[in-house]
Amino acid sequence: EAAVTQSPRSKVAVTGGKVTLSCHQTNNHDYMYWYRQDTGHGLRLIHYSYVADSTEKGDIPDGYKASRPSQENFSLILELASLSQTAVYFCASSELGAYSYEQYFGPGTRLTVL
Amino acid sequence: GQQVQQSPASLVLQEGENAELQCNFSSTATQLQWFYQSPGGSLVSLLSNPSGTKHTGRLTSTTVTKERRSSLHISSSQTTDSGTYLCAIDPNSAGNKLTFGIGTRVLVRP
Repeated sequence: EAAVTQSPRSKVAVTGGKVTLSCHQTNNHDYMYWYRQDTGHGLRLIHYSYVADSTEKGDIPDGYKASRPSQENFSLILELASLSQTAVYFCASSELGAYSYEQYFGPGTRLTVL
Repeated sequence: GQQVQQSPASLVLQEGENAELQCNFSSTATQLQWFYQSPGGSLVSLLSNPSGTKHTGRLTSTTVTKERRSSLHISSSQTTDSGTYLCAIDPNSAGNKLTFGIGTRVLVRP
């Protein structure tokens, strides 16, 4: 079973500060994703990557950057954190786009921006 | 509009009862996945079922692709089934990207 870990598990940040959320997977998956979850919105895709050193914009990329330095690691960067970025952030991974692929999720990071 | 709609929004069961959760989607889906989110927030993949019927344990998913709907049947519910069930689709098979519904919150009482 895929193992996806995230750090930190929770974080309090100040408005205007820089925040980096990290994700690590150990199952040799090609795809990695960052989602945020807000009450009433479900999970929404921020950025994703299908190969190291390359990232793609998801549905809500504004205010976020992503970095994929290796196949195992995928970071989400908030250069100037804002109150509206308070949410739970999930990282996920999956195999290269085959029919009936599955995404495996990390435990989530609860980010509070004050 | 919302691409993935789940119903009901919430459900209360007595332990041992069965339940059926619905997922309707507005575009064709090349992938459909059901997830369980625990009260603590962790997400677990339950089933990947873009078409047909699949079983795992007490769960059965039936997806009718041309009608753009899927159901998740929980049989003999247990208190540990309490949580939120999320349906997600890949609407265009580009980039393995999932679009999620808001979920059905299930409470199973002893």
